[in-house]
Amino acid sequence: KNEVEQSPQNLTAQEGEFITINCSYSVGISALHWLQQHPGGGIVSLFMLSSGKKKHGRLIATINIQEKHSSLHITASHPRDSAVYICAVNGNYGGSQGNLIFGKGTKLSVKP
Amino acid sequence: GAGVSQSPRYKVTKRGQDVALRCDPISGHVSLYWYRQALGQGPEFLTYFNYEAQQDKSGLPNDRFSAERPEGSISTLTIQRTEQRDSAMYRCASSLGVGGSSYEQYFGPGTRLTVT
Repeated sequence: KNEVEQSPQNLTAQEGEFITINCSYSVGISALHWLQQHPGGGIVSLFMLSSGKKKHGRLIATINIQEKHSSLHITASHPRDSAVYICAVNGNYGGSQGNLIFGKGTKLSVKP
Repeated sequence: GAGVSQSPRYKVTKRGQDVALRCDPISGHVSLYWYRQALGQGPEFLTYFNYEAQQDKSGLPNDRFSAERPEGSISTLTIQRTEQRDSAMYRCASSLGVGGSSYEQYFGPGTRLTVT
């Protein structure tokens, strides 16, 4: 079993829909990251959080530490949101705080 | 300012050759990370540095892989005697510091390595 699991693996939505991508993890963490990988391959950090909720534009990320679960929400989705969304965590002990453990990603396609 | 840069962006090499992949982090970033991403998969950790010290190399697949960051800035990932299974996107990232909630990682564009 992977330490970071994402669902769904693939998601197709119509423009304007509210989208939720889920991430569950099985290790102790010091932070959780949501990353966006563009079709061209570049990776951009969207959020880094260790508690609560963060919002940036149409994107909202939440985390529940007790349940070891995080969600990424996209409101009023747009075709330009089409990308792979990756959840990753920093461990919370010693050297593991440095490297990221990644989920396999969720491929989102938003149709006009 | 400039982001993380990597070179070359694409590298095609023959099986058995050595390759060196370069990462130039954001100026002032303490930590530098190397990841490998196979097609259709999420990235996987290889190794990381704080300044010039290699903190964790547990993700390096075998002893053909090595990395260095001698002056705490530019880093080189070297793969000796390449094999076809080494073909992947190799990504570098840097951050202001190590640890939890304080430090976001900034990713470079990657080097696409193809071993023929």
